[in-house]
Amino acid sequence: QVQLKESGPGLVQPSQTLSLTCTVSGFSLTSYNVHWVRQPPGKGLEWMGRMRYNGDTSYNSALKSRLSISRDTSKNQVFLKMNSLQTDDTGTYYCTREKFITTNWFAYWGQGTLVTVSS
Amino acid sequence: DIQMTQSPPVLSASVGDRVTLSCKASQNINKNLDWYQQKHGEAPKLLIYYTNNLQTGIPSRFSGSGSGTDYTLTISSLQPEDVATYYCYQYNSGYTFGAGTKLELK
Repeated sequence: QVQLKESGPGLVQPSQTLSLTCTVSGFSLTSYNVHWVRQPPGKGLEWMGRMRYNGDTSYNSALKSRLSISRDTSKNQVFLKMNSLQTDDTGTYYCTREKFITTNWFAYWGQGTLVTVSS
Repeated sequence: DIQMTQSPPVLSASVGDRVTLSCKASQNINKNLDWYQQKHGEAPKLLIYYTNNLQTGIPSRFSGSGSGTDYTLTISSLQPEDVATYYCYQYNSGYTFGAGTKLELK
């Protein structure tokens, strides 16, 4: 079955770089788009960016200067890197897969990984 | 950027009530709208895609409607397990979530 699982450091110091991994199973990264969505504690959801099935990427314009998404198809992993972290980057980070290719319907979600930005 | 406004922010209702949640886009989004349910401590769950299509496994008491800038999620008979925050999400131009409607039991 389709599964996604986020992993990362948990705690990041201000001004440092966040590196997260989304490990997927049950499907191929060359057949589906994977997105990253985050959620500050007690707040709403924010779309961050997308890795398309063909390797193309797109980013939230508000984060574009700090954000990079890449992948390793041989390892079934999608990576998120975001630099210059501040305290308001604290939150739960999710990776999610579309129901069908290029539909933007987020049918499958990881459990999320909590990232705290603090010194 | 397209803004999504959900109302009300908080809704209290009783078991068995018919509940209507609203979502208004700042411009026409051509029905490119989904609804997600998020229970406390859990990842969001897709309920409705492309305005009115029920995701697999979602109870039929959930339904969606709308067009242009105005969209609605309806729960025909509220159940205790429906207590959650509900988000609308547009993907017509960029990707934007609404701020959510928190649904509580009265």
